[in-house]
Amino acid sequence: AQSVAQPEDQVNVAEGNPLTVKCTYSVSGNPYLFWYVQYPNRGLQFLLKYITGDNLVKGSYGFEAEFNKSQTSFHLKKPSALVSDSALYFCAVRLQLMDTGRRALTFGSGTRLQVQP
Amino acid sequence: EPEVTQTPSHQVTQMGQEVILRCVPISNHLYFYWYRQILGQKVEFLVSFYNNEISEKSEIFDDQFSVERPDGSNFTLKIRSTKLEDSAMYFCASRPGLAGGPPPYNEQFFGPGTRLTVL
Repeated sequence: AQSVAQPEDQVNVAEGNPLTVKCTYSVSGNPYLFWYVQYPNRGLQFLLKYITGDNLVKGSYGFEAEFNKSQTSFHLKKPSALVSDSALYFCAVRLQLMDTGRRALTFGSGTRLQVQP
Repeated sequence: EPEVTQTPSHQVTQMGQEVILRCVPISNHLYFYWYRQILGQKVEFLVSFYNNEISEKSEIFDDQFSVERPDGSNFTLKIRSTKLEDSAMYFCASRPGLAGGPPPYNEQFFGPGTRLTVL
């Protein structure tokens, strides 16, 4: 079975400082990895994904994430946080298995990012 | 930009009643999903649907739940007899797949969700 761990319920960071939201995963094969963001009373918005290739993935709003296979991690990062980045962030994984659609996303429990002005 | 839409945005129902949550996936997408998020908890997978049949379902998706794509456009989730613990935000998602349109093939696009409140 696949699983995702987001060890921090909340991350607090001052505006302008770098931020990291941690994610580790467990799958029995090769993963596709995703980050989604959820603003209050809104749905899930896609931020970025790792499919293959370069381990450093760049996504929306200046976010990036680094895939580390040996540590089974996919931490989300941003060099300079904005107050508007405050939201709930979810890491998700699914297996690479051709393209059958037979592997749904498994989400982490979410990390609330609070950026203070 | 195309997007997944869901109706209603908020549904309030009495315990034991049937509810139907509606979703319109992105046109040309071939894979469809329902997820739910109980307040304050993680997003959980319910069911995936491809080629007019369920391709995968979780242990949450019991006999009280059913999905349908009645007209090639809508994708519905029916809960036959709602329970208090069904109260949650329900998200629909779709993805193109290799044969379903331009990339990104593997990205699931989520709708804004339907908040279901069971009283």
